[in-house]
Amino acid sequence: GAGVSQSPSNKVTEKGKDVELRCDPISGHTALYWYRQSLGQGLEFLIYFQGNSAPDKSGLPSDRFSAERTGGSVSTLTIQRTQQEDSAVYLCASSLTVVGISYEQYFGPGTRLTVT
Amino acid sequence: GQNIDQPTEMTATEGAIVQINCTYQTSGFNGLFWYQQHAGEAPTFLSYNVLDGLEEKGRFSSFLSRSKGYSYLLLKELQMKDSASYLCAVKERRGSTLGRLYFGRGTQLTVWP
Repeated sequence: GAGVSQSPSNKVTEKGKDVELRCDPISGHTALYWYRQSLGQGLEFLIYFQGNSAPDKSGLPSDRFSAERTGGSVSTLTIQRTQQEDSAVYLCASSLTVVGISYEQYFGPGTRLTVT
Repeated sequence: GQNIDQPTEMTATEGAIVQINCTYQTSGFNGLFWYQQHAGEAPTFLSYNVLDGLEEKGRFSSFLSRSKGYSYLLLKELQMKDSASYLCAVKERRGSTLGRLYFGRGTQLTVWP
């Protein structure tokens, strides 16, 4: 079956430009997560959507970062006025959620963002 | 946030057994996950523990002690393809929500022939 997909796979942008990264989760998965990973580093949590609840935005590093999830499915992560330190791989993951049960997250292939 | 500690690097030889430890602190534990990540690829799920004890899955086993805030991933009969980063992640329960996953920095395992 189809897994988590992300687009674009690679994005090179100039400092100061805005970028949009897209994530298509696995159909039926109510939870969606965004992470970023710099070279040789662990996963840095950015934002978490769970059904119709207010998203957990506690990981967004600055107000230049925002994310939406439309119709409980596709999500877009937007970075405004990109900086060189934003260069990283941005990973999206989705999972099933049932109260009282934790399910594993399935990760997409990531978007490699390079800010020049 | 959570304090999740795991060794940065480990090395082992083919056919050997290696144990990767993970310690954590959380106010609302809701499960612990191990993921494997090969260089340049996305993490893939290995195991999940929510109750104390050992979960065995083929060559991989994972152990959890909630009272000690401790888990380990045990890899047996190591193969070259097991060279990867192994990520420990803790799920937190917050109020009525299921909570998010907190990842450690990962342990880079190198398997030598």
